Amino acid sequence: AQSVSQHNHHVILSEAASLELGCNYSYGGTVNLFWYVQYPGQHLQLLLKYFSGDPLVKGIKGFEAEFIKSEFSFNLRKPSVQWSDTAEYFCAVAGFQKLVFGTGTRLLVSP
Amino acid sequence: EAGVVQSPRYKIIEKKQPVAFWCNPISGHNTLYWYLQNLGQGPELLIRYENEEAVDDSQLPKDRFSAERLKGVDSTLKIQPAELGDSAVYLCASSPGVSTEAFFGQGTRLTVV
Repeated sequence: AQSVSQHNHHVILSEAASLELGCNYSYGGTVNLFWYVQYPGQHLQLLLKYFSGDPLVKGIKGFEAEFIKSEFSFNLRKPSVQWSDTAEYFCAVAGFQKLVFGTGTRLLVSP
Repeated sequence: EAGVVQSPRYKIIEKKQPVAFWCNPISGHNTLYWYLQNLGQGPELLIRYENEEAVDDSQLPKDRFSAERLKGVDSTLKIQPAELGDSAVYLCASSPGVSTEAFFGQGTRLTVV
């Protein structure tokens, strides 16, 4: 069965700090990978996705993620966070006809 | 383009009462999901539809939960009777196909008292 692990449950950063959120999955087959963001009071929105090709994908708002197949990882990064990045971030993996989410990482960026 | 629409946004009911949630997916999206999200957790799949067929309902507690997607468009999720532990946010999502990105509605926050 597919599973997704997000090891950082809560992250607190100051503005301009760099961000990296970990995501590991377990599934032996071909996967599509996603990061979703949920801003306070809003619905889940797609941040970026990986289907194939260049393992370094760029998303909205300066976010990027790197797919490392050998490590079953899809970590999210941003060089310099802003206060408006305060939100909850979810990694998701689509394997054999299932879209499975991690437990999420709550990011708080202090001004 | 309209997104996924869910109603109601909030619902408070007493335990043992029935409750229903409604979802209108994005036009043309064949795949529809119902997820449950508890506080501090990620969305957990309850049921997935491909058109009008429920193709994955393995996580749906069938003793009290039911769902339907008539004509392969709108969907309803019902709980009867509701229990205190059902308090959560119920999310509906749709996608053009399985394994592509899912688009989420605002969710229905259910409180069972």
